[in-house]
Amino acid sequence: EAGVAQSPRYKIIEKRQSVAFWCNPISGHATLYWYQQILGQGPKLLIQFQNNGVVDDSQLPKDRFSAERLKGVDSTLKIQPAKLEDSAVYLCASSLGPGQGASGYTFGSGTRLTVV
Amino acid sequence: KQEVTQIPAALSVPEGENLVLNCSFTDSAIYNLQWFRQDPGKGLTSLLLIQSSQREQTSGRLNASLDKSSGRSTLYIAASQPGDSATYLCAVRSNYQLIWGAGTKLIIKP
Repeated sequence: EAGVAQSPRYKIIEKRQSVAFWCNPISGHATLYWYQQILGQGPKLLIQFQNNGVVDDSQLPKDRFSAERLKGVDSTLKIQPAKLEDSAVYLCASSLGPGQGASGYTFGSGTRLTVV
Repeated sequence: KQEVTQIPAALSVPEGENLVLNCSFTDSAIYNLQWFRQDPGKGLTSLLLIQSSQREQTSGRLNASLDKSSGRSTLYIAASQPGDSATYLCAVRSNYQLIWGAGTKLIIKP
């Protein structure tokens, strides 16, 4: 089966610019996650979707970050305007459902964002 | 609030050695604990999952143990190889969320 696809792989932008990341989960996976991983730290959950509805966005900086999963399949994460501290790897993951264990989680390769 | 800590942050050992990576968590009310591997420029690969009712899981040269009462898990790697070089992260599932440690960066020297 195809894995979780993410694009772009790398992005360099200036602060105050906007950027968007795209994720296509594994076919049939209802739950989609966006994580932010700052260098030297573990991933931090930004937002969790169940189909096209938001389950958890408690750690999403809503003044500048937004995400959507309109048709319950692929998803877009946007940052506008970007700050220097947004430099990180943005990981997308999907699972069959919210209660899945490790075998149900598949991660994409991530997008490495550098804000200068 | 659940917190997950991994010590050491980095470890370098000669090829062939057996080694142990540590993961500790503050709240014993967990559903399961998972160990992941992360290679530079790549996503996360699941290695082992231990349910809260289990004590250990094994896969090849990897063995993970779980002691809920003490809030600890260990990942044992036998006969380490240069290909084992990566960052190893543990994550605890609490209330449908994964709480992550910061990882241990492992370097196996040929």
